[in-house]
Amino acid sequence: GQQLNQSPQSMFIQEGEDVSMNCTSSSIFNTWLWYKQDPGEGPVLLIALYKAGELTSNGRLTAQFGITRKDSFLNISASIPSDVGIYFCAGRSTGNQFYFGTGTSLTVIP
Amino acid sequence: NAGVTQTPKFRVLKTGQSMTLLCAQDMNHEYMYWYRQDPGMGLRLIHYSVGEGTTAKGEVPDGYNVSRLKKQNFLLGLESAAPSQTSVYFCASRLTGWGYEQYFGPGTRLTVT
Repeated sequence: GQQLNQSPQSMFIQEGEDVSMNCTSSSIFNTWLWYKQDPGEGPVLLIALYKAGELTSNGRLTAQFGITRKDSFLNISASIPSDVGIYFCAGRSTGNQFYFGTGTSLTVIP
Repeated sequence: NAGVTQTPKFRVLKTGQSMTLLCAQDMNHEYMYWYRQDPGMGLRLIHYSVGEGTTAKGEVPDGYNVSRLKKQNFLLGLESAAPSQTSVYFCASRLTGWGYEQYFGPGTRLTVT
């Protein structure tokens, strides 16, 4: 299957700091997605990107679809304690399958 | 709307036992998916379905079977459970077409001893 490399694997930050994470693929994707997963729950979609170069925001979250179509970035500004969780990227090319990254675990220290 | 629901939430099986996980959605979605999530591995696609009566293999289909007899239900079966199938299983569904993304269920935690 296609491999998505997500980094960093984990982050420990102070409340109020900004966060950046990224995802790279060995293949080109037409869709990039970012999900958040809280403990014991299923992933919840945060942002969807459909065009190379696209920059999309959802509140304090901003994500970008890389120009090469092989990467994507997620930024969280002014982090708060409820941002804690695991963030996953996912990509899709032209088929019906989505491929997921290994996740970035975020801990926010009050 | 309940969204995507999964039954059961937890299960412990002995090696060689069989079981079926049920996924149900009330959003009239055409596509349904089964994933497994293991520590450090992200989510990996087991099987998926693009409509009632159709199924297809994903990335890690071995040891699993699926059926989609009704549009709202997608069943995942383990005929002879193995310890390697200890995992958290997630179901997801979505509408067909561009711009419609997956909604996930809450997961089923399965332990095979």
